[in-house]
Amino acid sequence: DIQMTQSPSSVSASVGDRVTITCRASQDLRGWLAWFQQKPGAAPKLLIYAISSLHSGVPSRFSGSGSGTDFTLTISGLQPEDFATYYCQQTNTFPLTFGGGTKVEIK
Amino acid sequence: DVRLLESGGDLVQPGGSLRLSCAASGFTFRFYAMNWVRQAPGKGLEWLSGITGSGNKTYYADSVKGRFTISRDNSKNILYLQMNSLSVGDTAIFYCAKGRRVSAGSTFDSWGQGTLVTVSS
Repeated sequence: DIQMTQSPSSVSASVGDRVTITCRASQDLRGWLAWFQQKPGAAPKLLIYAISSLHSGVPSRFSGSGSGTDFTLTISGLQPEDFATYYCQQTNTFPLTFGGGTKVEIK
Repeated sequence: DVRLLESGGDLVQPGGSLRLSCAASGFTFRFYAMNWVRQAPGKGLEWLSGITGSGNKTYYADSVKGRFTISRDNSKNILYLQMNSLSVGDTAIFYCAKGRRVSAGSTFDSWGQGTLVTVSS
């Protein structure tokens, strides 16, 4: 199975900050990497697919980058509604796997 | 708008069975793969199973292989998850999630609100 390792597990930030979350895969994902946002008590929502493609309706302050096994989610100009937990996911190989999550908290 | 509505979650005893359903609307159901994902209390996301748009191929996580069965009824726009031999470790919120393509190896662009399964004696 492909292991997905996210870091940090949590980050404290202020409104307006730039936040970067990293995700490392145990194998080359050939571009099949997505990012999700989940708020407490709610279902996850797709933010980015195929490393850097923004899902419909997602604000442009969210961006993704990377290749091979190393990927990054960046939030440029953190907004109050962005405080949540973020997960990466690989869909290159079954079983599909998620990272452990990164909680973005208010400083 | 895409809508996914899970149902069937309940309190069940260890060793018991349960069938979850996910009613889909707002898109052409048979054109998209579907998946089940669970989240144990306070934990992260775990993909469980996926099925192609036609239903001819299914995929499972090792943790549920042989115990859970995914299926779909494209005439009714419903996704199912039959769960047998449930254990306390299966306690979680179960989500259905729509794939971006007809093939099963695609990410999930819409999720239901989830249904709670509690396994306890």
